[in-house]
Amino acid sequence: NAGVTQTPKFQVLKTGQSMTLQCAQDMNHNSMYWYRQDPGMGLRLIYYSASEGTTDKGEVPNGYNVSRLNKREFSLRLESAAPSQTSVYFCASSSLAPDTQYFGPGTRLTVL
Amino acid sequence: RKEVEQDPGPFNVPEGATVAFNCTYSNSASQSFFWYRQDCRKEPKLLMSVYSSGNEDGRFTAQLNRASQYISLLIRDSKLSDSATYLCVVTRGGGSQGNLIFGKGTKLSVKP
Repeated sequence: NAGVTQTPKFQVLKTGQSMTLQCAQDMNHNSMYWYRQDPGMGLRLIYYSASEGTTDKGEVPNGYNVSRLNKREFSLRLESAAPSQTSVYFCASSSLAPDTQYFGPGTRLTVL
Repeated sequence: RKEVEQDPGPFNVPEGATVAFNCTYSNSASQSFFWYRQDCRKEPKLLMSVYSSGNEDGRFTAQLNRASQYISLLIRDSKLSDSATYLCVVTRGGGSQGNLIFGKGTKLSVKP
């Protein structure tokens, strides 16, 4: 039982490049979330998926897209990376809202 | 008023000390409350949920005052391993699919 896994752990991009952050959970949770964490800003919700087949914008969705591929997987895509997207990205899942959220280990992204 | 507000610290205390963290929230519709713990360069993990009646888990006691929109966490007999950032977390409320609002965290450093 791995919980929530994220790939990659680290990534460096150049401005304008694209990439997809992958997230998977093996706890049969319905809801999944993507957050970013910046120094002095706390965790901010980018997008969430309350259940398979649905996605909704969070607090800071601009510059991102998401796909809920199936119940297990929820990916985050940066189409054209910008330096302002340098951050630590966490994926999380929960069984039922507003249940406890379980976090993955994070992806440290640097955009040059 | 910020949605969730915490004293950023740092709180520097000796081993064995008792330390208290406070948190205020602005949305009276918030229904669920949590304390998460985040170690340096790691993901947040649930420490404990907070109930109206107050709850205790070993050396940790959480209190909620809905009238004042105030949450507290008390740590007794601090250990070196308690050094971390403590995040106050509340649900957004109002049918928002259980989105969590994270405080920026209070940093605790326990010294020998």
